[in-house]
Amino acid sequence: GAGVSQSPSNKVTEKGKDVELRCDPISGHTALYWYRQSLGQGLEFLIYFQGNSAPDKSGLPSDRFSAERTGGSVSTLTIQRTQQEDSAVYLCASSSPGQIYEAFFGQGTRLTVV
Amino acid sequence: AQSVAQPEDQVNVAEGNPLTVKCTYSVSGNPYLFWYVQYPNRGLQFLLKYITGDNLVKGSYGFEAEFNKSQTSFHLKKPSALVSDSALYFCAVRAHTDKLIFGTGTRLQVFP
Repeated sequence: GAGVSQSPSNKVTEKGKDVELRCDPISGHTALYWYRQSLGQGLEFLIYFQGNSAPDKSGLPSDRFSAERTGGSVSTLTIQRTQQEDSAVYLCASSSPGQIYEAFFGQGTRLTVV
Repeated sequence: AQSVAQPEDQVNVAEGNPLTVKCTYSVSGNPYLFWYVQYPNRGLQFLLKYITGDNLVKGSYGFEAEFNKSQTSFHLKKPSALVSDSALYFCAVRAHTDKLIFGTGTRLQVFP
């Protein structure tokens, strides 16, 4: 596709349920990021994938959060046993390999835990 | 560890006046610096970046940013603000780890 695609665009879930958020990066982009943004606030780094290297998971807030990237393309962010404080917009971005390249963002998934 | 600071939560400016949104950074090694903009209910859009070379970088929508190595700053500027520039602006840095780290954002409000 032309841009980064995220699904679903909106997700309402009950506290304690598991959720999966999907990200389709731009074709050929080997770097993929997940961020979390609460109520128009700053971007909190969650996890970073770069090619076949081990992902940088240093931003994951708890062991309820995990992410994988299959075949170096699609990524899934999983939140287990969701809590109300998990409510936020989850943003995915991808970029070409190398530090000089900007990242392109998807429209995000708005997660609401009730 | 790399970090980015945006010291102002909000910047208010009158339309037609110059604007500056501040950003300072801390990295080991050469910094790669970026500015993004987020309009209401929309995704983040790339504005401009500094990689190397000229310290004054020009980007989209008439914005520019000045890299200052001695002050470790990368302030965003525009000579004449428009009401339509009102948005949330994020500075970001990428260093040797390749991880892209964002500042907390600055809300720009341009008044008619």
